[in-house]
Amino acid sequence: EIVMTQSPATLSVSPGERATLSCRASQRVSSNLAWYQQKPGQSPRLLIYGASTRATGIPARFSGRGSGAEFTLTISSLQSEDFAVYYCQQYDNWPFTFGGGTKVEIK
Amino acid sequence: QVQLVESGGGLVKPGGSLRLSCEASGFIFSDYYMNWIRQAPGKGLEWVTYVSNSGDSIYYADSVKGRFTISRDNAKISLSLQMNSLRAEDTAVYYCARSPFGGSPIVDFWGQGTLVTVSS
Repeated sequence: EIVMTQSPATLSVSPGERATLSCRASQRVSSNLAWYQQKPGQSPRLLIYGASTRATGIPARFSGRGSGAEFTLTISSLQSEDFAVYYCQQYDNWPFTFGGGTKVEIK
Repeated sequence: QVQLVESGGGLVKPGGSLRLSCEASGFIFSDYYMNWIRQAPGKGLEWVTYVSNSGDSIYYADSVKGRFTISRDNAKISLSLQMNSLRAEDTAVYYCARSPFGGSPIVDFWGQGTLVTVSS
């Protein structure tokens, strides 16, 4: 099973600032990497797939980079609605696995 | 619009059984791979199982293999998860989730989830 490790566990950021979240896979997953956002009491929402392609309706301030085993999600200028938990997910091999999440909180 | 509505969750004793259902609407159900993904209270996400659009390809997480069974009825536009021999560690919100057209194993639509609690 591919283990996905996200860092940091919590990121404190002021509105308008840039946030960079990391995701590392225990083995190479090519570009088969997705990012999701989950707000309290809500279901997750797909942000990025193929490591760098934004899903439908996702604002341009969200961007994904990386391939192989190292990936990043960048939120260029945090808006109030962006404070949430973010999960990465590999879909290179079954079982498809998620990282433990990074909580982005207001500084 | 796309809607996925889960039902069937509740409180069950260890060793018991429960059947979850997912009612889908707003898309051609038979064209899409479907999934069950769970989230234990305050924890992360675990992909439990997925089924191809035709139903002929199914995968299970090791944690549920032999105890859970996913099934779909494209004529009735329904997805189910039969859960047997339930354990405390199966306690979670269970999400019915759709993969995009073509079967790429990501999730583009999620239901609101149904809570399963396994406790004596």
